[in-house]
Amino acid sequence: ETGVTQTPRHLVMGMTNKKSLKCEQHLGHNAMYWYKQSAKKPLELMFVYSLEERVENNSVPSRFSPECPNSSHLFLHLHTLQPEDSALYLCASSQVEGTDTQYFGPGTRLTVL
Amino acid sequence: RKEVEQDPGPFNVPEGATVAFNCTYSNSASQSFFWYRQDCRKEPKLLMSVYSSGNEDGRFTAQLNRASQYISLLIRDSKLSDSATYLCVVNSYNFNKFYFGSGTKLNVKP
Repeated sequence: ETGVTQTPRHLVMGMTNKKSLKCEQHLGHNAMYWYKQSAKKPLELMFVYSLEERVENNSVPSRFSPECPNSSHLFLHLHTLQPEDSALYLCASSQVEGTDTQYFGPGTRLTVL
Repeated sequence: RKEVEQDPGPFNVPEGATVAFNCTYSNSASQSFFWYRQDCRKEPKLLMSVYSSGNEDGRFTAQLNRASQYISLLIRDSKLSDSATYLCVVNSYNFNKFYFGSGTKLNVKP
């Protein structure tokens, strides 16, 4: 059973909608991540938060807006998305200190119509 | 050059076969190394960490070669349930950042 949960698990939205993805980790970690995985493509890192501060933003379009209110919660706010944004959005967490690995949530499968 | 490179496969092997995957990384300062497994339409899950001395977990053996900057995964006595994509992951000089390979697909056939 993963210590990282994501909601919703599936989301269908129109291009004019606004929605938010939620991630929560129960592992006591202090870094959280958003990844995008399109069909048959590798993982793409979108955002990294370390100690609740954003430390990485891999040139992600502004229609994706992350929020990290505390070390256990991470949101991805979506607005005016495009059909090519349809993908699996994965949240992960890790501990900044040391060399432990990342743990992933089950993902939100997003379809943009 | 990509941070982490893997042969995408697919590797099609019969049950009971031994199969090996390699992965190369570009940053010699990389700190830690992992193999993940990802099933179709699911999240990646940690399979095993890779230590300098090499490590084994049942049918799985991982090796690290720092001089040549590659890691390997050996699967013995393949099972149908081993069919998945195997991701090589490297945590480099920045502990916040994990570099994922594009994955190697394994199909184990009856």
